[in-house]
Order: sequence, then structure tokens, then C-alpha cells
Amino acid sequence: AQSVAQPEDQVNVAEGNPLTVKCTYSVSGNPYLFWYVQYPNRGLQFLLKYITGDNLVKGSYGFEAEFNKSQTSFHLKKPSALVSDSALYFCAARGGAAGNKLTFGGGTRVLVKP
Amino acid sequence: EAGVTQFPSHSVIEKGQTVTLRCDPISGHDNLYWYRRVMGKEIKFLLHFVKESKQDESGMPNNRFLAERTGGTYSTLKVQPAELEDSGVYFCASSQQGYGYTFGSGTRLTVV
Repeated sequence: AQSVAQPEDQVNVAEGNPLTVKCTYSVSGNPYLFWYVQYPNRGLQFLLKYITGDNLVKGSYGFEAEFNKSQTSFHLKKPSALVSDSALYFCAARGGAAGNKLTFGGGTRVLVKP
Repeated sequence: EAGVTQFPSHSVIEKGQTVTLRCDPISGHDNLYWYRRVMGKEIKFLLHFVKESKQDESGMPNNRFLAERTGGTYSTLKVQPAELEDSGVYFCASSQQGYGYTFGSGTRLTVV
């Protein structure tokens, strides 16, 4: 069965420091990988996706993610976090036997302190 | 273009009552998905429409849940009768090419 894991329930980081949110996946074949962010009282907003090609994907709001096939990881990164990045982040995968539907990780709450 | 619209944004109902959630996808998007996040757990797939047809309803938890998509436009998700464990946030998403999904703001359902 397809699965996505986000090992950290919460990540705390000081403003201006690098931010990393971890994600590993288990998908047969070549996965499509996504990161979404949910701000308070808002819906899921798309940040970035990996389909094929360059392993380093750049997305919205200065975020990037690196696809690592050997480690089956797709960690989200931002070089310098802002207080406004505080939100709930979800990693998702599509592919293999699951078809078009997305399989989500449990979410990681990011708290950026001033 | 307008995004995916869901309403109501919040609904509080008593156990045993019926609730209907609505999703208006982006115009022209053939694919419409329902997902839900229950009690702070992961977001789980419920079902997938292609136009008015159910492509995959493997995630529907039981027969108390009924989804429809009238004429391939908006979709409704009815829960009848609602149980306490149905509380959560219900998200709708639509796509055209299949790998680019736009999500709505979600409906927070509370069953008391």
C-alpha cells in the first residue's frame, strides 16, 4: 500500500534560520510528489510539486524541495524562515496503484518564532 | 479564475442528523475529489469523480456517505445519519490534467 510519512508533528525554528520539514514516501513506480500548506482558517494551498526532471524543485514563497529517490524522501526547505511561514504543512504523493488520488502525510506544524 | 468553493465553511449538527456539503470546482475541471481530515490525523481520500461519473469511491467509509455530481458540475457529499466520528474537515479539490490539484477551503463538520 502507498504511504507518506512526516516524522515530525511540529518543527520550531527561529525567524531567519533555515527551515526543513521532512517527508518520506512509499510509492510503487515513479511518484508525483507535492507539498501543500494550510494557514489558519484557510484551505490547502499548493507550494510545489515534483513530477520528473531536476531533483531540486522550487516553489512558492521561497520554498524548495529535493527529491531523493534512493532515500525515498522529499524534504521541504526554506533558507530563511519568516514568522508568516507558521502553518501546517502536508506532503502528498500520487502514483502507482493509487492512480490519481493523493496520499497525504500526517502533517507537520511549523512554528517560527521572532 | 475563481477557485474551488466549498460551503458551508462550518457546520455543527447533532448525532443522527443529516448534513450536505457542497463543492463547486473550477469551471471546466473534469476531475473532482473529496478528502477529509479527521481528528488531526492525515488527510484521507474519499472519492473521485470524472465529470458526473464516480471513478473511484474506495475511500468512502460506509453507506452513510453519499456523493453526487450533478451534470458534471458541482458536487454534494451527504452524511446521513451523522455520527460523532464523522467530525473533521472535508476538503474538495478539482483538476484538469490530473496532477495539478486545486483545493477548496474545506468544510469543518462537528457532530455533537
